[in-house]
Amino acid sequence: EVQLVQSGAEVKKPGESLKISCKGSGYSFTSYWIAWVRQMPGKGLEWMGIIYPGDSDTRYSPSFQGRVTISADKSISTAYLQWTSLKASDSATYYCARGGREPLRYWGQGALVTVSS
Amino acid sequence: EIVLTQSPGTLSLSPGERATLSCRASQSLSNSFLAWYQQKPGQAPRLLIYGTSTRATGIPDRFSGSGSGTDFTLTISRLEPEDFAVYYCQQYGSSPLTFGGGTEVEIK
Repeated sequence: EVQLVQSGAEVKKPGESLKISCKGSGYSFTSYWIAWVRQMPGKGLEWMGIIYPGDSDTRYSPSFQGRVTISADKSISTAYLQWTSLKASDSATYYCARGGREPLRYWGQGALVTVSS
Repeated sequence: EIVLTQSPGTLSLSPGERATLSCRASQSLSNSFLAWYQQKPGQAPRLLIYGTSTRATGIPDRFSGSGSGTDFTLTISRLEPEDFAVYYCQQYGSSPLTFGGGTEVEIK
């Protein structure tokens, strides 16, 4: 069974750094892209970018380029999304999902990030 | 970037009625790489339809997708209580991939 299990909810202050994770299992982690999707409170879905864990090839949406970093550690089948300096506007639920330029069939459960002073 | 515009924003219907949701793209999706997702409160989105009209595994046949070029439609033939949710379209043929703003199907 394909599963993507994300790290838990986080509460951070503006300016702090954060790295959230997404662990894949039940399939060959290095053979499928992983996407990150943002959902701000009460809003729609936004595609942030993707990574191919096999070779760490990474693509970003222009809207998120330079604001976040997507990475992966294939040795532990885990993808990451990180920020160096959080803003209140980064408060959202972040989903990982399996897929690059393909439909997103499998999703993580989501990680709620709250940034507040 | 391809912009997807979904309409209406909210659809108020009763169980048993037919729902028709629209997704319009700012450029032609020549490869028909369009998907539909369902999202319920507090849950991750679920893939319903991909390739414009192919149902994902386990999706009931009351859900159907159609369209081409810039105009796409998700139809729910007879609404079941569990179908009241928010629906998003997504194009996955051109980077950056993009989602529509969503249509909420609510109980009338």
